[in-house]
Amino acid sequence: GAVVSQHPSRVICKSGTSVKIECRSLDFQATTMFWYRQFPKQSLMLMATSNEGSKATYEQGVEKDKFLINHASLTLSTLTVTSAHPEDSSFYICSGAAKNIQYFGAGTRLSVL
Amino acid sequence: AQSVTQPDIHITVSEGASLELRCNYSYGATPYLFWYVQSPGQGLQLLLKYFSGDTLVQGIKGFEAEFKRSQSSFNLRKPSVHWSDAAEYFCAVGAKTGANNLFFGTGTRLTVIP
Repeated sequence: GAVVSQHPSRVICKSGTSVKIECRSLDFQATTMFWYRQFPKQSLMLMATSNEGSKATYEQGVEKDKFLINHASLTLSTLTVTSAHPEDSSFYICSGAAKNIQYFGAGTRLSVL
Repeated sequence: AQSVTQPDIHITVSEGASLELRCNYSYGATPYLFWYVQSPGQGLQLLLKYFSGDTLVQGIKGFEAEFKRSQSSFNLRKPSVHWSDAAEYFCAVGAKTGANNLFFGTGTRLTVIP
């Protein structure tokens, strides 16, 4: 099956620093990748959709300058949380889409101190 | 507007008992339908999907789901639950045309007791 690798699985950082999360499709080409945020015991909230070689499309209420998304190739998308603050602490999950199916990474637990 | 409803926030079943998780959706057309499972601290794993054809679909780990158009439902079932099935289950709908966007339900947490 299609595999999506997400790294790191957990990161702790100081307030004001930036954190980059990588999402790679290992055995397929994902023309579209998605970034989600999940709060404790809640469902996934779509943050943005990224297409290879073009700008990401952000959902309403998501700050594009805060959550920088780059989709440089068909197998790699990155999410950078800039100037992170404690309220950005969350579980971030990416997915890559192929043939109308989304395959998810294992998620990144971000803790901002 | 698209929406997915999972009416049961938390279900507890005994190991070996049967399971049914409910999912109802609201969509402008016949959607693609999915069930995903999430273990604590992990991403989502695809259990099964419905695109077209036979309305009873089989998935991994012994799960199945039935698409009922008249009821706008896509309930997940398993005849005999194992302790390892304890997890969070999400129903999702997607568009048949492009985009690949998914709309998720709020999830059902399954607890399995010995």
